[in-house]
Amino acid sequence: EAEVAQSPRYKITEKSQAVAFWCDPISGHATLYWYRQILGQGPELLVQFQDESVVDDSQLPKDRFSAERLKGVDSTLKIQPAELGDSAMYLCASSFLGTSTYEQYFGPGTRLTVT
Amino acid sequence: AQSVTQLDSQVPVFEEAPVELRCNYSSSVSVYLFWYVQYPNQGLQLLLKYLSGSTLVKGINGFEAVFNKSQTSFHLRKPSVHISDTAEYFCAVTATDSWGKLQFGAGTQVVVTP
Repeated sequence: EAEVAQSPRYKITEKSQAVAFWCDPISGHATLYWYRQILGQGPELLVQFQDESVVDDSQLPKDRFSAERLKGVDSTLKIQPAELGDSAMYLCASSFLGTSTYEQYFGPGTRLTVT
Repeated sequence: AQSVTQLDSQVPVFEEAPVELRCNYSSSVSVYLFWYVQYPNQGLQLLLKYLSGSTLVKGINGFEAVFNKSQTSFHLRKPSVHISDTAEYFCAVTATDSWGKLQFGAGTQVVVTP
């Protein structure tokens, strides 16, 4: 069964350092989502791509976070500089199309710890 | 905008007993509703979804949910739980005319003991 791939699974970094996460969605899925899940909370959408275009980045802290999906396939989420409050699970999801009726498939996530 | 309230942060339950997880939502527009499960250090897996039609929705692993529009609720239940059902459960909502942006509740931790 096709899965969403994410790497690394775990990342420890010092504050003020740069960190990057990678996501490879299920083949053929045009829509890609990045969520942040703080411990004890539900996931919160950071950014949504339709192919290579951003359709929603209203909750992305743009002063330090950036996301790209250059060829409309895999995607990278970057944080620079990292802050202690960025410690969280970063989840990537993909769906066939970006409408409410299509199921989002989630990857295993990257757990980030900022020290 | 939509919001989701999961009324219980943790639900302890004995193996083979029934369980119900409560979810209320608020929205000024029509919505679709979802339940996801998350096992430790893993991503989320869809249990079931309500798009339209019957208000009783059947999902995977023996779970079902009831949509109540008048009470704006979408409660999840299972008649007999297993140890393997120990996990975090998330209720989520999205506007029917949206790009699929999910608004999640804070989650309910289910702990099944023998």
